[in-house]
Amino acid sequence: DTAVSQTPKYLVTQMGNDKSIKCEQNLGHDTMYWYKQDSKKFLKIMFSYNNKELIINETVPNRFSPKSPDKAHLNLHINSLELGDSAVYFCASSQDQGPSGYTFGSGTRLTVV
Amino acid sequence: AQSVTQLDSQVPVFEEAPVELRCNYSSSVSVYLFWYVQYPNQGLQLLLKYLSGSTLVKGINGFEAEFNKSQTSFHLRKPSVHISDTAEYFCAVSETGANNLLFGTGTRLTVIP
Repeated sequence: DTAVSQTPKYLVTQMGNDKSIKCEQNLGHDTMYWYKQDSKKFLKIMFSYNNKELIINETVPNRFSPKSPDKAHLNLHINSLELGDSAVYFCASSQDQGPSGYTFGSGTRLTVV
Repeated sequence: AQSVTQLDSQVPVFEEAPVELRCNYSSSVSVYLFWYVQYPNQGLQLLLKYLSGSTLVKGINGFEAEFNKSQTSFHLRKPSVHISDTAEYFCAVSETGANNLLFGTGTRLTVIP
């Protein structure tokens, strides 16, 4: 069973569209995250949720909106997509907000054309 | 503010040779340290972590790292690499009690047959 699963794995869409990426974890973890990996492989945190509560909201355009219906899910919705949004988006989860390390999903490669 | 520096963006090494991937960090408080590996088109997998205790940490796939507080380093080593070790390696730091994992820019390890 996949511990942290993201869908879709690949997403190609036109500028201006709205899209969502879904993430689910079956590890019973309390905290979930979204990270963005750019073309140079740099990973930067976007959001963090603990038990459905937003904890971290880095400097991310408000076109990006996370939604956590329960602690096992953290979805990412993106409005009015731009070329610069093209990247790989990783979902992750952790049990204790850090010390044990994160479990990452396999990523969603978003390409905006 | 904390930071993580991976000094080498690319490291080529011949098969069965030893390798060291360097990581330095800065923080005003105590930290947890991690190494993650990312194989092509995959998510990140935890290699090893330092939380406290022994400064020499052993991880999966024959990797180990040593925490050096005075030099603020956490270098990753393997005595004999295999072709399958070709991947991107990320050092990461989390301040104790914080809910954020800060990544370095990654080191591309290429094992040459």
